[in-house]
Amino acid sequence: ETGVTQSPTHLIKTRGQQVTLRCSSQSGHNTVSWYQQALGQGPQFIFQYYREEENGRGNFPPRFSGLQFPNYSSELNVNALELDDSALYLCASSRTSGDNEQFFGPGTRLTVL
Amino acid sequence: GQSLEQPSEVTAVEGAIVQINCTYQTSGFYGLSWYQQHDGGAPTFLSYNALDGLEETGRFSSFLSRSDSYGYLLLQELQMKDSASYFCAVRDGTGGFKTIFGAGTRLFVKA
Repeated sequence: ETGVTQSPTHLIKTRGQQVTLRCSSQSGHNTVSWYQQALGQGPQFIFQYYREEENGRGNFPPRFSGLQFPNYSSELNVNALELDDSALYLCASSRTSGDNEQFFGPGTRLTVL
Repeated sequence: GQSLEQPSEVTAVEGAIVQINCTYQTSGFYGLSWYQQHDGGAPTFLSYNALDGLEETGRFSSFLSRSDSYGYLLLQELQMKDSASYFCAVRDGTGGFKTIFGAGTRLFVKA
């Protein structure tokens, strides 16, 4: 285990709702990245937070937003949920934004009905 | 934009050697990483190459050629537990830091 935790483990929402997913980074890590992984696909980069600031973003619409807190834990918020948002959401922490080794949490499985 | 290509599936026998190739296209290349993911599990970091050449870590080695935009992961002395998906991932610095993953290669190890 990596020491990265995520909550909740599973979540079921309906289309149009909003969801907040949480991630606690590994001790000593100040950078958190979020990914969306559809079944049978590779993780898709959503964004990265370094010391409470977003410092990289993938091709996701603005309804995907995030926060990082002073203790470096992080939240992913998704508004106006769509069916295609159903996926495994992974967060990964690293010592710093320039570090290449990322430690992944177990993920949150989101189902949108 | 960025893109990565890797084979979708590879099958090999226990004890053999297998090579998983990855070609990439990106404008702000920093380096190439490899991750392993077992079914139902989270990706686990295996290796990172920023410079040309071979990096060896136990049974796993990773190679990078920046001029060819190409890399590979070499797995030696295959074990049944190596059956998993393997992802190459590019570290890209365009417009902030991003890590772009390939679609993954499913490795099946047979007895």
